[in-house]
Amino acid sequence: NAGVTQTPKFRILKIGQSMTLQCAQDMNHNYMYWYRQDPGMGLKLIYYSVGAGITDKGEVPNGYNVSRSTTEDFPLRLELAAPSQTSVYFCASSYELIGLGNQPQHFGDGTRLSIL
Amino acid sequence: GENVEQHPSTLSVQEGDSAVIKCTYSDSASNYFPWYKQELGKGPQLIIDIRSNVGEKKDQRIAVTLNKTAKHFSLHITETQPEDSAVYFCAANSNTGNQFYFGTGTSLTVIP
Repeated sequence: NAGVTQTPKFRILKIGQSMTLQCAQDMNHNYMYWYRQDPGMGLKLIYYSVGAGITDKGEVPNGYNVSRSTTEDFPLRLELAAPSQTSVYFCASSYELIGLGNQPQHFGDGTRLSIL
Repeated sequence: GENVEQHPSTLSVQEGDSAVIKCTYSDSASNYFPWYKQELGKGPQLIIDIRSNVGEKKDQRIAVTLNKTAKHFSLHITETQPEDSAVYFCAANSNTGNQFYFGTGTSLTVIP
């Protein structure tokens, strides 16, 4: 009963380094999302995907890239890490069907990223 | 885009009392409003949601009310218990339905 799995749980990066945050879901959900959560703030949408091969920008996409080659996986890439990207990153998924309206999102437990 | 505001940012109640958290939204096209509970070190978990075609929804001790005219919705927790202590987030969908906008969260503490 895995749900949404995020790896790694914690990571420290140096400025300018790159890394990929992994997200996988085993619920056959078509929609997947990446959010960042800063202290005292709500979640801000970085990118989302409505299906394999389709991605789109959210509120705060600058400095990030995503890909969706399979239904299960939705990795988030930081190419040149900056201190402003220090945050907790959450991946989520949901199963959406046109005409049924939005469905609840299932979240992973997050990746805590520090950039020094 | 949508703007969601949430109040209060912190809330302390005695065990057994009720807790109410309020959110407002700006986009009249929003039609889905979920509430999430986030425990320390965990991802948010859906506790209740409401669609714009109803004004109230209840699930045991938890209820949500929606006023579309005033563009606000509220979470009500009755008979609070210590395990209700967590951070609660409201959210609203975008007019396309593909994006969600979250409130800034309410840290609820239930005092035994």
